Amino acid sequence: GAGVSQSPRYKVTKRGQDVALRCDPISGHVSLYWYRQALGQGPEFLTYFNYEAQQDKSGLPNDRFSAERPEGSISTLTIQRTEQRDSAMYRCASSWLAGPGLGNEQFFGPGTRLTVL
Amino acid sequence: GQQVMQIPQYQHVQEGEDFTTYCNSSTTLSNIQWYKQRPGGHPVFLIQLVKSGEVKKQKRLTFQFGEAKKNSSLHITATQTTDVGTYFCAGIRSGEQLTFGSGTQLTVLP
Repeated sequence: GAGVSQSPRYKVTKRGQDVALRCDPISGHVSLYWYRQALGQGPEFLTYFNYEAQQDKSGLPNDRFSAERPEGSISTLTIQRTEQRDSAMYRCASSWLAGPGLGNEQFFGPGTRLTVL
Repeated sequence: GQQVMQIPQYQHVQEGEDFTTYCNSSTTLSNIQWYKQRPGGHPVFLIQLVKSGEVKKQKRLTFQFGEAKKNSSLHITATQTTDVGTYFCAGIRSGEQLTFGSGTQLTVLP
């Protein structure tokens, strides 16, 4: 596959359940980003990794949200004890270079639509 | 924190008309990127602007970065139905993350 893939594409869960969202970046991409996108809004930064190291998690809303990228490739965003306000599209993006910044275009995945009932 | 505002929120044009979306940052940016998101799709990178006053063209699309590096614009000449989608600017301050604007949703009427 040439692009960023995410799974599941759709997730419906009940309030209080934990969910794990997976991102498979483009092979060889150094950086991996997680965003949350509400309907009619632009993506909102959550966290990012260079290789396996989490560089910035300032966008995570609270301690129910966590992310890992243990081998510097696939990443998982976990939301514990989900709440209805967590319902959104969660997008992953990857880029060739480390960090955000100069010349570093991000390639987005199709997203996971999370609905918390 | 950094804020990036985009106007208009929605724009309907007749095919063949021109279209412009404007992006304004509350702070000076190191660079700015533009993305296009088709209905039901994901954001796709269009271009990055780095220098003060920079102008770049991609066929019918013209991108500008303001002299103060706090604003940017995207102009599409003679819109086509394939231009339909939401256009996002995303600003970067040194050492920080991409901050996306809320986007301009373009509808092109045939």
